[in-house]
Amino acid sequence: AQKITQTQPGMFVQEKEAVTLDCTYDTSDPSYGLFWYKQPSSGEMIFLIYQGSYDQQNATEGRYSLNFQKARKSANLVISASQLGDSAMYFCAMMDTGRRALTFGSGTRLQVQP
Amino acid sequence: DVKVTQSSRYLVKRTGEKVFLECVQDMDHENMFWYRQDPGLGLRLIYFSYDVKMKEKGDIPEGYSVSREKKERFSLILESASTNQTSMYLCASSFRRVSYNEQFFGPGTRLTVL
Repeated sequence: AQKITQTQPGMFVQEKEAVTLDCTYDTSDPSYGLFWYKQPSSGEMIFLIYQGSYDQQNATEGRYSLNFQKARKSANLVISASQLGDSAMYFCAMMDTGRRALTFGSGTRLQVQP
Repeated sequence: DVKVTQSSRYLVKRTGEKVFLECVQDMDHENMFWYRQDPGLGLRLIYFSYDVKMKEKGDIPEGYSVSREKKERFSLILESASTNQTSMYLCASSFRRVSYNEQFFGPGTRLTVL
């Protein structure tokens, strides 16, 4: 069965600094996709970045990058140059060939301080 | 832009009432999903549908049913609401492709059962 673990319930970061949000996953399927979503206080889920299990390079989208370490089964999100608007809940999620819905971690609440 | 809408942002119901949560998407997505979000648990899949009139149970289907009579609409039904169904409910949709693709989420419905 799939499992996603986010061990940091809350994180603080100073504005303009970089921050890493941890995510480990467990699946026996060699083919899978990893996702990060942001949920601001307004409640909507915003897709940030995607990494496929066969992708050779780490995914990047603007200030977001995914540090994908396949052997360690980790998919950490790195946010560079944090902004006040980055304060939100962040969820790591995955799907594999056995399940077309997302399995989510418990989330990390990030607070960016001025 | 993909748009997923949910019928209510906030809903208050009484124990034993039948509750309908409606979700509509405008991007001709085959897949639609209902998740429940609780603090510390992330999002958990209740049901999903990959085609009209087709449905599959997710991780926590007990106490819920679903209906998909049209491609753009996916309804979640609480046959007899209970206080432990107080939660945030999120609808999502996606294309059904071979590769993994992001899910687009609605704004959520915060349901309180008294």
